Amino acid sequence: DVQLLESGGGLVRPGESLRLTCAASGFEFSSYAMNWVRQAPGKGLEWVSVISAGGDRTYDAASVKGRFTISRDNSRRTLYLQMYNVAVEDTAIYYCGKGNIAGIPAAPYDWGQGSLVTVSS
Amino acid sequence: QSALTQPPSASGSPGQRLTLSCSGGTSNIGRNSVYWYQQFPGTAPKLLINKNNQRPSGVPDRFSGSKSGTSASLAISGLRSEDETEYYCAAWDDSLRLFVFGDGTKVTVL
Repeated sequence: DVQLLESGGGLVRPGESLRLTCAASGFEFSSYAMNWVRQAPGKGLEWVSVISAGGDRTYDAASVKGRFTISRDNSRRTLYLQMYNVAVEDTAIYYCGKGNIAGIPAAPYDWGQGSLVTVSS
Repeated sequence: QSALTQPPSASGSPGQRLTLSCSGGTSNIGRNSVYWYQQFPGTAPKLLINKNNQRPSGVPDRFSGSKSGTSASLAISGLRSEDETEYYCAAWDDSLRLFVFGDGTKVTVL
């Protein structure tokens, strides 16, 4: 079975940095594009970033462009989201989502349980 | 304002057929596949409909999706109490180069 386990969330102050990690198992990680999607408290889903299977292509939402970087280490079966200069508006549960193809676009097909990031002074 | 428009709420009685709408534009639904997600409070979303009308393994055939032009629909037939939750549509937007989600429709079973 596909398993996606996010970690790295927590409480951070505005302007600080944080790195989220998504550990994957149960499938050939290097063959699928991966996404990050977030959900602010009481709000709907907001797509954040996507990375192709090989890691050579990425796209980011305008709200995080220049501040967040998606990356992956296929040898470690791990997806990352490096978050710089976080703002209060970045407070959300962050989900990693496995696409069902290698390329982009690849909608999230399987989801992790999420990691809560709280940005507050 | 989201690129995809969903009604905030919908309701129906048990056994009824309920249809949820998702309206977009030429750069998203008009050119790309639509996905539907079901999310219960406190849990991760679950893919309900893949590529406009495909049901992933394990999704009951009471759920069906369709697309026409720049709009899409999710139909729930034989509505059950356990269908009461939030439903989101999503599609890739060629102009924005990102996935866009609708704001979600909260389904209530009367």
